[in-house]
Amino acid sequence: DTAVSQTPKYLVTQMGNDKSIKCEQNLGHDTMYWYKQDSKKFLKIMFSYNNKELIINETVPNRFSPKSPDKAHLNLHINSLELGDSAVYFCASSQGWGSDNEQFFGPGTRLTVL
Amino acid sequence: AQTVTQSQPEMSVQEAETVTLSCTYDTSESDYYLFWYKQPPSRQMILVIRQEAYKQQNATENRFSVNFQKAAKSFSLKISDSQLGDAAMYFCAYRRTHAGNNRKLIWGLGTSLAVNP
Repeated sequence: DTAVSQTPKYLVTQMGNDKSIKCEQNLGHDTMYWYKQDSKKFLKIMFSYNNKELIINETVPNRFSPKSPDKAHLNLHINSLELGDSAVYFCASSQGWGSDNEQFFGPGTRLTVL
Repeated sequence: AQTVTQSQPEMSVQEAETVTLSCTYDTSESDYYLFWYKQPPSRQMILVIRQEAYKQQNATENRFSVNFQKAAKSFSLKISDSQLGDAAMYFCAYRRTHAGNNRKLIWGLGTSLAVNP
């Protein structure tokens, strides 16, 4: 049983297109995250939602819009894709705001913008 | 602002031997958490070990252990009896304990570990 799942795992698209990445967790967690990992493996948080409310919103272009329809889902929509958006995007989840809450990561979505 | 530094971009170890990955961090906080995550070629991020700053005892998980030096702000990971499956990127991460809504992890740049048969 997959704890945190992402679809699709691979996404190849043209510049200027709009695409979405979906994330679902079946752990009963109330906090979810989106990370971006660039080609140099640098991992950077983009967004965090707690109980469907946006908690963390790092400096991310407004072309990126997260949507959390419920606690188990956090989708990432990207408008007007650019070459620099090519990266691996990870979804993660954790339980609450407790101090020792481990983050569970999804398998990642490799986005390639041509 | 907190920072995490991993000074070894790449490391290698012979199978069955021991390797230590270094991590240093900078913070003015007294309470925080430190983590080591593993990212194998499958890309999955997996928690390896966690250390609470208020605990003096070093965390241990099977073949993985840490050397936590709070005064020196150092948090190294030791892998004993290295196995081929240990080959991966290893990320050190930090999180404040009492940070209100700002509970984000601060990540190092990673160390790529190769295990030679």
